[in-house]
Amino acid sequence: GAGVSQTPSNKVTEKGKYVELRCDPISGHTALYWYRQSLGQGPEFLIYFQGTGAADDSGLPNDRFFAVRPEGSVSTLKIQRTERGDSAVYLCASSLGVKDTQYFGPGTRLTVL
Amino acid sequence: DQQVKQNSPSLSVQEGRISILNCDYTNSMFDYFLWYKKYPAEGPTFLISISSIKDKNEDGRFTVFLNKSAKHLSLHIVPSQPGDSAVYFCAASAGSGGSNYKLTFGKGTLLTVNP
Repeated sequence: GAGVSQTPSNKVTEKGKYVELRCDPISGHTALYWYRQSLGQGPEFLIYFQGTGAADDSGLPNDRFFAVRPEGSVSTLKIQRTERGDSAVYLCASSLGVKDTQYFGPGTRLTVL
Repeated sequence: DQQVKQNSPSLSVQEGRISILNCDYTNSMFDYFLWYKKYPAEGPTFLISISSIKDKNEDGRFTVFLNKSAKHLSLHIVPSQPGDSAVYFCAASAGSGGSNYKLTFGKGTLLTVNP
């Protein structure tokens, strides 16, 4: 079956611009996660959704970052007033339930010039 | 402050030999540990996991060992194959603390298996 998909695969933007990154989880998976992987680092947790609600957004670095999952499936990570330090690969993962294995998408590589 | 540490950025082994990847952690609340494998331009793929109530878990060529007193785990791959060449991430979560979904990753180890 189809895995987790993320669009776009690459995004280049200018400092100060707004970006949206999309995640399509595996069908039927109720839990969805966003991670950020900076160069030379492992993925870092950003936010976890159970259904439509953000159950834990403690990893979001500041209020420029926001994520939604309005219908409990597709999720969008939104970054306002992008900064060069936001450049990273943004990974989305989903799992059947919160205690189940997390399956990752290929990521979106964001570059802020 | 790195709570999960993979001190070897890279490892090179010959095909057919054993690969041993190491991981140390500092957070005593971690009670579930995972290994993910990552190929370039792909997302991490789950490989194997272990709960803190066990000290060993085996799945085919992959075995994970956990030493809780030393806060250390290792992944053994026997025999190593060229297709195993990838970045391996160690990850941990604190399930009993209610945050079993929040994975904390190490920086990864690049494994190269030479034919």
